[in-house]
Amino acid sequence: EVHLVESGGGLVQPGRSLRLSCTASGFNFGEYGMNWVRQAPGKGLEWVGFIRSTAYGGTTYYAASVKDRFAISRDDSKSVVYLQMNSLETEDTAVYFCTRGGGYVVSDYWGQGTLVAVSS
Amino acid sequence: DIQMTQSPSAMSASVGDRVTITCRASQGITNYLAWFQQRPGQVPKRLIYGASLLQTGVPSRFSGSGSGTEFTLTINNLQPEDFATYYCLQHDSYPYTFGQGTKLEIK
Repeated sequence: EVHLVESGGGLVQPGRSLRLSCTASGFNFGEYGMNWVRQAPGKGLEWVGFIRSTAYGGTTYYAASVKDRFAISRDDSKSVVYLQMNSLETEDTAVYFCTRGGGYVVSDYWGQGTLVAVSS
Repeated sequence: DIQMTQSPSAMSASVGDRVTITCRASQGITNYLAWFQQRPGQVPKRLIYGASLLQTGVPSRFSGSGSGTEFTLTINNLQPEDFATYYCLQHDSYPYTFGQGTKLEIK
């Protein structure tokens, strides 16, 4: 059974950094690209970024709102995808979900999410 | 970037009704369109992918159609558990983009 578990959320001051992790199990992690999606309190879903599988170069893509501040990486040996968030802003406050897959597999499985609160 | 315009933003319906939600893309996305359902307090769940393919385990009262720039999600014979918020997602090109969501409420 596919499982995605996010961790690393919490309260952080504006301008600081935070790294989220998403640990995957139940599938061959190395064969899949992975997304990060976020949802601000009471708001809709926002796609944050994607990392291709290592076989496809591990290329990353980002939403304009986080480009140059956030970075996605992966460690296939640990089945983990990371979201490094720098220069955090209050507008980054949200639940962050990792989801599996791009192409027709896109977001077929979701983690439970981890809450990031950016506040002074 | 591709903009996804979802309509309506909210609607009310009764159990047993048929409802349709629309997503329009600002440019053609062939059939790279997925639909998600999010019940209050829950994680989103994928219903449809490839614009019209039903996710395994999703009831057949859900269906999707469209290609290019206009897509619809139809729910036949609404059930109490279907009252939720629905989102479309284009995954034709980066950055991927979600629609604004449609909140479906009980009339």
